[in-house]
Amino acid sequence: EAGVAQSPRYKIIEKRQSVAFWCNPISGHATLYWYQQILGQGPKLLIQFQNNGVVDDSQLPKDRFSAERLKGVDSTLKIQPAKLEDSAVYLCASSLLTSGRYNEQFFGPGTRLTVL
Amino acid sequence: EDKVVQSPLSLVVHEGDTVTLNCSYEVTNFRSLLWYKQEKKAPTFLFMLTSSGIEKKSGRLSSILDKKELFSILNITATQTGDSAIYLCALAGGTSYGKLTFGQGTILTVHP
Repeated sequence: EAGVAQSPRYKIIEKRQSVAFWCNPISGHATLYWYQQILGQGPKLLIQFQNNGVVDDSQLPKDRFSAERLKGVDSTLKIQPAKLEDSAVYLCASSLLTSGRYNEQFFGPGTRLTVL
Repeated sequence: EDKVVQSPLSLVVHEGDTVTLNCSYEVTNFRSLLWYKQEKKAPTFLFMLTSSGIEKKSGRLSSILDKKELFSILNITATQTGDSAIYLCALAGGTSYGKLTFGQGTILTVHP
């Protein structure tokens, strides 16, 4: 079974530039998550999708971050414009449809973003 | 707001030692507590705990949950260099199904 795919693996940009990350979840997984992991901290949920609808985006900085999952499969996360404090690893995870209980999340390898 | 605090933040041991990692939490609607191992890549799942007092075990790793005192421990016996990693504790709770709140992690370094 193929795992969660993410690209690019690494990205270096200057502040105020834009960047986009792509995630392809495990086939059949209805729920997709984007996490931000700053060095020395645990992952923080940015946004959760169920199929192509947003379940939770309460911690997404909406003035600069956006995410979409148009066909309920792949997802993109965009930052525009980037700030120095956005330097982090961006993890994508997926799980089977949640239905009142926790379903194991499978994580992708992450995209390491450095903002100079 | 759900909160997860792990201790110690870092730990250095020698091969063969036994280690205990701690995770305490505050939650409004507990669903489950999870442990992950993170090496240089993505976190990989270790255990999910939902009931107090029932030990989960996998090889040299074991974990237990105390829902009264709101904490969990992860034990690793006879540590090996391959156990060197960040160990993350995460809480599934609140009103958003599937949402995980992670602790800051414990960095474990095992020297030969």
